[in-house]
Amino acid sequence: DAKTTQPNSMESNEEEPVHLPCNHSTISGTDYIHWYRQLPSQGPEYVIHGLTSNVNNRMASLAIAEDRKSSTLILHRATLRDAAVYYCILRANAGGTSYGKLTFGQGTILTVHP
Amino acid sequence: GAVVSQHPSWVICKSGTSVKIECRSLDFQATTMFWYRQFPKQSLMLMATSNEGSKATYEQGVEKDKFLINHASLTLSTLTVTSAHPEDSSFYICSAKGTSGSPLHFGNGTRLTVT
Repeated sequence: DAKTTQPNSMESNEEEPVHLPCNHSTISGTDYIHWYRQLPSQGPEYVIHGLTSNVNNRMASLAIAEDRKSSTLILHRATLRDAAVYYCILRANAGGTSYGKLTFGQGTILTVHP
Repeated sequence: GAVVSQHPSWVICKSGTSVKIECRSLDFQATTMFWYRQFPKQSLMLMATSNEGSKATYEQGVEKDKFLINHASLTLSTLTVTSAHPEDSSFYICSAKGTSGSPLHFGNGTRLTVT
């Protein structure tokens, strides 16, 4: 599986934007970029995903580099409830044999200060 | 939105006993479910892929006779930890795949403590 690289930790202040980077230089053309987050003692929660174009939803925005070798998850206004471990994961397309299997890296621990 | 329910949320058992964990998709049919294990301060590790009506596929290093998986219906998969030992104490999390292209939905995990 193609690997992703994320900073171990990041800090933010409440109400400020947060940009969480992810490098995936060996991404294949059919890999989707998924972001999940995990709050303490809970299962992961889907945040957003994309293939080539930037994506927005109610939780966050995903900016994908033109060469797809990196992406950035953007939380527009961080809240204390956004403190979690954020995982950037590559997921095979629907036709791939490994579709659905997620390989979790260490993720980025986001701390939000009041 | 789609919900995956996992039960129990925590369990304490004695060494040598077996524990069953249930994973249910509440509002969608899941032909495939996944079981993960997470040790403290570590990331999730995929244990096995559970396919409805067929045998589970285990990841390398995971003992299939110790971690029994049954996926008898489109909404229920169970993981049984047999002859549990303290080293099996962990956070077990299931996820379910819905329609093609949809994100995976995760349960809230089961904290297993073996004494």
